Amino acid sequence: GQSLEQPSEVTAVEGAIVQINCTYQTSGFYGLSWYQQHDGGAPTFLSYNALDGLEETGRFSSFLSRSDSYGYLLLQELQMKDSASYFCAVRDQNTDKLIFGTGTRLQVFP
Amino acid sequence: DAGITQSPRHKVTETGTPVTLRCHQTENHRYMYWYRQDPGHGLRLIHYSYGVKDTDKGEVSDGYSVSRSKTEDFLLTLESATSSQTSVYFCAINPQGWTSTDTQYFGPGTRLTVL
Repeated sequence: GQSLEQPSEVTAVEGAIVQINCTYQTSGFYGLSWYQQHDGGAPTFLSYNALDGLEETGRFSSFLSRSDSYGYLLLQELQMKDSASYFCAVRDQNTDKLIFGTGTRLQVFP
Repeated sequence: DAGITQSPRHKVTETGTPVTLRCHQTENHRYMYWYRQDPGHGLRLIHYSYGVKDTDKGEVSDGYSVSRSKTEDFLLTLESATSSQTSVYFCAINPQGWTSTDTQYFGPGTRLTVL
């Protein structure tokens, strides 16, 4: 089966850079996704890594290393609006189901 | 905006009563999903559908059933609600199909409280 571990909480100040890690135990998966969720809101898709390496989308970048069973989301030039929960997710090759991590709550301070 | 709505948005019910949650999409996407979200557990898949009358179980399907008689509607039913089913329920669609980039678009959610 799959399990994805994320830190429960991360704090940072405006303008800083923060990295949210996702480590996983899996027998096989198609790719690593990241979602953002503001309090009271719905999850929204941020990025997807099908292959190892770095994917950049504006201030956000996502990285995957299958050999290390590890990925991360990098947020640069942090803004107050980035305060939210961030979830990593993988699709299990055996069950074809999308499995989410437990989420990391990011708090950005002035 | 993926055109997904959920109803009701909030519901309080009593243990033992049946509850049906509705997910409606406007863009005729084939794949639809129901998740529940609880503190410390992230999002967990309850059931999903890959077409009209085609559904399958997720990882936490016990106590839930689904139906999809039209492409645009995916219903989640709690046959006899229990307090452990108090949660926030999200519907989602994947416009690109099942084995694609895993881009899922979520509805606004339904907050269900079972007393």
